[in-house]
Amino acid sequence: QSVLTQPPSVSGAPGQRVTISCTGSSSNIGAGYDVHWYQQFPGTAPKLLIYGNSNRPSGVPDRFSASKSGTSASLAITGLQAEDEADYYCQSYDSSLRGHAVFGGGTKLTVL
Amino acid sequence: QVTLRESGPALVKPTQTLTLTCTFSGFSLSTSGMCVSWIRQPPGKALEWLARIDWDDDKYYSTSLKTRLAISKDTSKNQVVLTMTNMDSVDTATYYCARGQQYRHGYYFDYWGQGTLVTVSS
Repeated sequence: QSVLTQPPSVSGAPGQRVTISCTGSSSNIGAGYDVHWYQQFPGTAPKLLIYGNSNRPSGVPDRFSASKSGTSASLAITGLQAEDEADYYCQSYDSSLRGHAVFGGGTKLTVL
Repeated sequence: QVTLRESGPALVKPTQTLTLTCTFSGFSLSTSGMCVSWIRQPPGKALEWLARIDWDDDKYYSTSLKTRLAISKDTSKNQVVLTMTNMDSVDTATYYCARGQQYRHGYYFDYWGQGTLVTVSS
């Protein structure tokens, strides 16, 4: 059971906009800790997609954006492309688990 | 250029101890604010954080696994070693090491190794 909750799957047609939610609690996201997002293709390591709630590392297309509010965060992908089909994970920090990084259960994005 | 690479046995028997080595380049673990974590992913399942070692040798472990884990670093060799005792079939997973970047009061993982699949079977 992951500390952060994500929907198991989302889907969308090419060109559409999809969002992936990440719900935490008062000891992690709700406590003000930042949320970070990773993209993972089958058989490969996760790749940092968003850090600090809404910042994109160099090279990440601006079709990817994210936000945080209260005890939740969300990742949005606009202009959906077939190459976006992957697993997406949110990650934060939890004050009740000293030093721990906590992950969401992951969301499989299917491009229809 | 930052790179990390995991190495260790692909197969271990139940009850054995697993030792994994993360060899990295492009940064120094003696630099203030730097850390390296181990994260695993069972086949078809989610990421699970295991342990972290900081530049100042502070160490943190997953609450559920802390009695079985030990993390250490050799700064001169640019290596971080994770040992996990009493391996079981449920520990079958791809094990990743990742560089942690401290950010405000938390941290994120900006570089990851390719991962190494460890199967626990007799």
